[in-house]
Amino acid sequence: EDKVVQSPLSLVVHEGDTVTLNCSYEVTNFRSLLWYKQEKKAPTFLFMLTSSGIEKKSGRLSSILDKKELFSILNITATQTGDSAVYLCAVEGTYKYIFGTGTRLKVLA
Amino acid sequence: KAGVTQTPRYLIKTRGQQVTLSCSPISGHRSVSWYQQTPGQGLQFLFEYFSETQRNKGNFPGRFSGRQFSNSRSEMNVSTLELGDSALYLCASSSSGQRTSNYGYTFGSGTRLTVV
Repeated sequence: EDKVVQSPLSLVVHEGDTVTLNCSYEVTNFRSLLWYKQEKKAPTFLFMLTSSGIEKKSGRLSSILDKKELFSILNITATQTGDSAVYLCAVEGTYKYIFGTGTRLKVLA
Repeated sequence: KAGVTQTPRYLIKTRGQQVTLSCSPISGHRSVSWYQQTPGQGLQFLFEYFSETQRNKGNFPGRFSGRQFSNSRSEMNVSTLELGDSALYLCASSSSGQRTSNYGYTFGSGTRLTVV
């Protein structure tokens, strides 16, 4: 059965800290891996990764995929209180995305 | 460009009733997917529609059904509601549903269903 596992489940850090969120997967017909940020309702797209070893960056956020070991990490440097959210990892299979349960990040001022 | 629109935003129903939720995708998007989100289970895939055809379905009982219209708008229906159906129901649209672009899905804000 397809599954996506994220760790840790929750994390509390102070502003300025660097965090690493993990996502491992077992999905047949892997097509891509996506990261989303969910604050209130709708998850908002962060990254899509398809190729192994190529880092995607957007400001203080970066992500990389390892297709051999079947995992991805999302790094957030110099965290801010506005980074507090649930971070979701999703893997694209055939006509569907399988989501992990998310990592809840809280950044304290 | 309007986003994905879900209606209603909130809904309270009693056990045994049925409910219909609506999702209007981004203009030009032909794929609509539905997810159920609960605190314990996270986002769980319900089904995906493309050009009025259901292409994939998750592991939910037959009480959960959906359809897509020719204008790509989609509805999902839950019959004989149970307390455990209380959740945030999210729909997401994309142009093709697969390897869409660099933007994956675009999600709507969801419908919060409470079953009492």
